[in-house]
Amino acid sequence: SAVISQKPSRDICQRGTSLTIQCQVDSQVTMMFWYRQQPGQSLTLIATANQGSEATYESGFVIDKFPISRPNLTFSTLTVSNMSPEDSSIYLCSVVRLDTEAFFGQGTRLTVV
Amino acid sequence: AQTVTQSQPEMSVQEAETVTLSCTYDTSENNYYLFWYKQPPSRQMILVIRQEAYKQQNATENRFSVNFQKAAKSFSLKISDSQLGDTAMYFCAFMKQVGGGSNYKLTFGKGTLLTVNP
Repeated sequence: SAVISQKPSRDICQRGTSLTIQCQVDSQVTMMFWYRQQPGQSLTLIATANQGSEATYESGFVIDKFPISRPNLTFSTLTVSNMSPEDSSIYLCSVVRLDTEAFFGQGTRLTVV
Repeated sequence: AQTVTQSQPEMSVQEAETVTLSCTYDTSENNYYLFWYKQPPSRQMILVIRQEAYKQQNATENRFSVNFQKAAKSFSLKISDSQLGDTAMYFCAFMKQVGGGSNYKLTFGKGTLLTVNP
């Protein structure tokens, strides 16, 4: 199994500001994934972060709004930039272990006011 | 593109009874993985059960079992002897390898909110 530590667990932010979410994995992984889960909805993949290269973003998500860093094989950050109330969601990081399953962080509940 | 459909937005069951959650998916792949995840109010995603597509035998984990019908692209979850702690959102998920190496793509259904009543 993998242990993923994600922080902050929640935050309330002013519109127009930015928030950086961190994920630390207890072992080295090649790919890390960032998801958004809007209230009462399913998980939507924002981007895939690969160490040493730029993240790959899904349709509807852009690097200027959600810059991602992946400095090493155990750590990644997602920044939600220039926030608006529509960005209020739960954000989750995830890793996949070969031939097993996807593991998730505890999630960050973001409220933009 | 893969799609995962959960046709039951909400379900309820009495404690100790059995409930089945439905999931269908669409793919042209032959090798893939299927999962059921549970998300309680704490929002932590918890793996309930997994199934490899190449295995014909249905996966079982204690009170949880699946009915995997590959030809029909169906993957339902049966919860036996339901407990109050089973109350949560349940997501069906499809995973396949993308390209080479360890790049995977996970697609989730919209979820089924299960309430277990005392």
